[in-house]
Amino acid sequence: SQTIHQWPATLVQPVGSPLSLECTVEGTSNPNLYWYRQAAGRGLQLLFYSVGIGQISSEVPQNLSASRPQDRQFILSSKKLLLSDSGFYLCAWKLGTEAFFGQGTRLTVV
Amino acid sequence: GQSLEQPSEVTAVEGAIVQINCTYQTSGFYGLSWYQQHDGGAPTFLSYNALDGLEETGRFSSFLSRSDSYGYLLLQELQMKDSASYFCAVRDANNQGGKLIFGQGTELSVKP
Repeated sequence: SQTIHQWPATLVQPVGSPLSLECTVEGTSNPNLYWYRQAAGRGLQLLFYSVGIGQISSEVPQNLSASRPQDRQFILSSKKLLLSDSGFYLCAWKLGTEAFFGQGTRLTVV
Repeated sequence: GQSLEQPSEVTAVEGAIVQINCTYQTSGFYGLSWYQQHDGGAPTFLSYNALDGLEETGRFSSFLSRSDSYGYLLLQELQMKDSASYFCAVRDANNQGGKLIFGQGTELSVKP
């Protein structure tokens, strides 16, 4: 069966510090991978998506970046965090019509 | 660009029926999906419509009209555990069909 791992579950980082969130998928090959951000009580904002290794599409200009070094690994990074980067970050994979989400990382930038 | 519109919140009582509407605008369209998210949790898939009409899965049904760029999620025999946020999502036919965007979500409150 397919599973998705996303870590850490919570993170508190100071402004200006770097960020690296990792997401891995097991049990499937060549999935579409996604990073979303959700502010409190709000919708899911698509940040990045990838249809294959090394292929990254960015949806929102920001100080975040994404990379897909392996087929089932998707990494969200920042060199210098801003206060506005706080939120709930969700990784997801899709093969076909259904998307499966990780448990999310709650990031607080202080 | 792409956009989805859905009501921000809906309130209903236990045992009732509620309908959550979604209108969308995309440059290409593969299908309309619905997801449920309980507070603090991850969204989970509920249903998918690629063709016009009604899809039924237990107490939940989803409808699509491609000519109207409109769909809805119908929840019957509401239970307290149905209190959650519900999101519609569209898969864009461009970009190898990879782009999946969500609406802002509808917060459903089920009252006793």
